[in-house]
Amino acid sequence: NAGVTQTPKFRILKIGQSMTLQCTQDMNHNYMYWYRQDPGMGLKLIYYSVGAGITDKGEVPNGYNVSRSTTEDFPLRLELAAPSQTSVYFCASSYEIDYHYEQYFGPGTRLTVT
Amino acid sequence: AQTVTQSQPEMSVQEAETVTLSCTYDTSESNYYLFWYKQPPSRQMILVIRQEAYKQQNATENRFSVNFQKAAKSFSLKISDSQLGDTAMYFCAFRTSYDKVIFGPGTSLSVIP
Repeated sequence: NAGVTQTPKFRILKIGQSMTLQCTQDMNHNYMYWYRQDPGMGLKLIYYSVGAGITDKGEVPNGYNVSRSTTEDFPLRLELAAPSQTSVYFCASSYEIDYHYEQYFGPGTRLTVT
Repeated sequence: AQTVTQSQPEMSVQEAETVTLSCTYDTSESNYYLFWYKQPPSRQMILVIRQEAYKQQNATENRFSVNFQKAAKSFSLKISDSQLGDTAMYFCAFRTSYDKVIFGPGTSLSVIP
């Protein structure tokens, strides 16, 4: 299993540009998450999904959009990029069986908006 | 709103000594999960230990153990026999019954030779 993969690893955007961060997991997990981590800070939840076709806002959803058309993919869309969106973005997936819950993280995407 | 607080932004410990990292959380739920994650300079998030709220027994994983006080909403991490490889950011996290996972701001731990 490749686990959780994210592309690209690095990206520089100009203010006002748009882009999509890709996230794919091959573990058939129902739950998927997008977080952002600003320098020296903890992870903030942007959006999450409990299954294909279902998404919900997290703590900091403004400026982002997501979709979940398949179990495997959970892309994050940035429209009209702003310097405040400079951050490291982590995708994660998780499962829960018999009260056992575990979350797996991707390697992260470092995004700079200038 | 559910929140996770880590009151120690930075800590240091001598190699081979024991250190305890604090975490408190706020929730009205009764069933939830708590986690400690380690993030080394590589940025990879590594699960250190988990605790199910319905379990009264504190979780342990080798040199890592927790002190879970449900009534006090406290979830501290104890690292015994600290090693240089333990140097990292440590995040406490809480999973709600609505499937959100909320992270604390982190504690930067330095293990000194």
